[in-house]
Amino acid sequence: EAGVAQSPRYKIIEKRQSVAFWCNPISGHATLYWYQQILGQGPKLLIQFQNNGVVDDSQLPKDRFSAERLKGVDSTLKIQPAKLEDSAVYLCASSRTGTRETQYFGPGTRLLVL
Amino acid sequence: GENVEQHPSTLSVQEGDSAVIKCTYSDSASNYFPWYKQELGKRPQLIIDIRSNVGEKKDQRIAVTLNKTAKHFSLHITETQPEDSAVYFCAASRAGSNDYKLSFGAGTTVTVRA
Repeated sequence: EAGVAQSPRYKIIEKRQSVAFWCNPISGHATLYWYQQILGQGPKLLIQFQNNGVVDDSQLPKDRFSAERLKGVDSTLKIQPAKLEDSAVYLCASSRTGTRETQYFGPGTRLLVL
Repeated sequence: GENVEQHPSTLSVQEGDSAVIKCTYSDSASNYFPWYKQELGKRPQLIIDIRSNVGEKKDQRIAVTLNKTAKHFSLHITETQPEDSAVYFCAASRAGSNDYKLSFGAGTTVTVRA
């Protein structure tokens, strides 16, 4: 099966600018996750969608981060305005619902905020 | 929430020797424990997982053990090879519940010396 797709792969912006990331999950996967992975750390969940509904966004900095999954398939994650500490790899993952918990990760978007 | 601690942070082994990585978790309701391997600049990939109804699982040179009472689980890699060099992450979640998000450890950088 095709994997999780993400774009862009790399992005360099200046602080206070905005940026958006795109994710296309594995076909048929109802659950989609966005993670932030800071260099040297494990992935940290930002937001989890079940179809087009939000299941968990408790760790999403809502004053600057937003995410949507309007049709229950693709998703976008936006940062506005960006801060230096947002420099990280943003990983998208997907999984089937029900008893399948295995999460499959995309290649990530590496963001550098200058 | 769940807190996963992982040790050691770095591990250097001679090719052919074994490598062991240990993780502890705080939430006694966690019942699913995957291990991910992340090569430099690449996506995390699931290498093995274990559920709380078993104590050990093997897949060729990789094995995982789980001690529910002590709330810790370990990854064992035998006969290490240079291609085993990567960062390994453990994780824990409450699979099957509404709160099945993965909580990751900080990672272990494994270097296999030829």
